[in-house]
Amino acid sequence: DVKVTQSSRYLVKRTGEKVFLECVQDMDHENMFWYRQDPGLGLRLIYFSYDVKMKEKGDIPEGYSVSREKKERFSLILESASTNQTSMYLCASSSTGARSPLHFGNGTRLTVT
Amino acid sequence: QQPVQSPQAVILREGEDAVINCSSSKALYSVHWYRQKHGEAPVFLMILLKGGEQKGHEKISASFNEKKQQSSLYLTASQLSYSGTYFCGTERGLERDDKIIFGKGTRLHILP
Repeated sequence: DVKVTQSSRYLVKRTGEKVFLECVQDMDHENMFWYRQDPGLGLRLIYFSYDVKMKEKGDIPEGYSVSREKKERFSLILESASTNQTSMYLCASSSTGARSPLHFGNGTRLTVT
Repeated sequence: QQPVQSPQAVILREGEDAVINCSSSKALYSVHWYRQKHGEAPVFLMILLKGGEQKGHEKISASFNEKKQQSSLYLTASQLSYSGTYFCGTERGLERDDKIIFGKGTRLHILP
C-alpha cells in the first residue's frame, strides 16, 4: 500500500516566519504534488514535481517555493508566512502511468497568526 | 482554470440516485474522481481517459465525453457510506502531462 506521510498534522506559525512542510512517499513515484484546500475553493495546485530537482508551477504558486532533492521527498516552503496562507495543505504522489491515481497524505493544517 | 462541478451540494435519502457533473473549457486528456470524508484525505475512485469511456466501481460509475469536455459520476442506490465531498480532477491537453487540476467539489449528504 502506498504511503504518503506529511510530517505535521497541525502547525501554528507567526506572520513572517519561514515555514517548511515536508512530505515523503514510499512507492518510488515520479510525480509529487502540493495542493491547498480551502472551504468552497476545492483543491488548488501550488506546485508539481515530475522528477528530482524538477518543478513546475501550479495555479497558485505565489508566496511558495518547493524543493525536491530526493525522489521520495517533496518540501513546500513558505518564505515569509502570511495570514492568508492559513489553510489545509495536502501532498500527493503518483507514478507516470496513464491510469495512475494520486495518493494523498493526511494533510497539514497550518495556522498563521 | 479549475473544472466546474455541479451541483455544489446535494442531499439524498438512502437508496436514491445521484449524478455529479464535471466540465472543462479546455480539452481533457483524463478525468479523475475522488471522494473525501470529513477530516480525511481524498480517496481515489476511478480514472477515465479520452476516448469516451465509461467505468464502474460497485454502484458508482462514470462517463467521459471528450467532445463535450465533460464527465459525470453516477451513484446508484446510494448508501450512508457515500456521504462526503466528491472531487473531479482533470488532466488538460491532448497529451498526458500528469498534472491534475481539481474542481471545487460536490458535497453529498445521505440521510437514513
